[in-house]
Amino acid sequence: GEDVEQSLFLSVREGDSSVINCTYTDSSSTYLYWYKQEPGAGLQLLTYIFSNMDMKQDQRLTVLLNKKDKHLSLRIADTQTGDSAIYFCAEEFSGGRRALTFGSGTRLQVQP
Amino acid sequence: DTEVTQTPKHLVMGMTNKKSLKCEQHMGHRAMYWYKQKAKKPPELMFVYSYEKLSINESVPSRFSPECPNSSLLNLHLHALQPEDSALYLCASSQGSRNQPQHFGDGTRLSIL
Repeated sequence: GEDVEQSLFLSVREGDSSVINCTYTDSSSTYLYWYKQEPGAGLQLLTYIFSNMDMKQDQRLTVLLNKKDKHLSLRIADTQTGDSAIYFCAEEFSGGRRALTFGSGTRLQVQP
Repeated sequence: DTEVTQTPKHLVMGMTNKKSLKCEQHMGHRAMYWYKQKAKKPPELMFVYSYEKLSINESVPSRFSPECPNSSLLNLHLHALQPEDSALYLCASSQGSRNQPQHFGDGTRLSIL
């Protein structure tokens, strides 16, 4: 089945690194995504990783994938107040449907 | 700025009204999606169009009627909605082939009186 889990809340100080974690259960996932949602806005695609990769880096963002443990993480370096938002991980089920399964979202609060 | 444009941004309607939500993209994407998002929850898939044909309907009530007039446009026609249908309605698009990321609009915030 498809199930994606995230912790609900993370608070960090400005300038620190943030690590947002996600676990998934579908071993046949092909792509795993991170989206950011600010209040009153839609979802902004941040980055994604193919399931045969271990790591992907894009400027301040680093995605780590541990396929054995079905664990995905998003690290934000030098976290800024503008990074405060809800972060969703999502997996694309490879069972033929073009559909994403989202985690419950992690609310990141950045304190000045 | 998002490349998927949704109108209107806000909509208030009574339970007997008929209204439509609109979504437009000019990225040449061939798959388009409607999602419903309740407060403090992740988006839930409603419909998927692939090459202008409905490919997924997630058992959505018939008071929601999607339409894809062409590859750039996606509508969601609303009729006789219930208060529990109040939510943020998100449109997304992706390239027609599989394993392509979905790009979302900013949504329409719908309130049913």
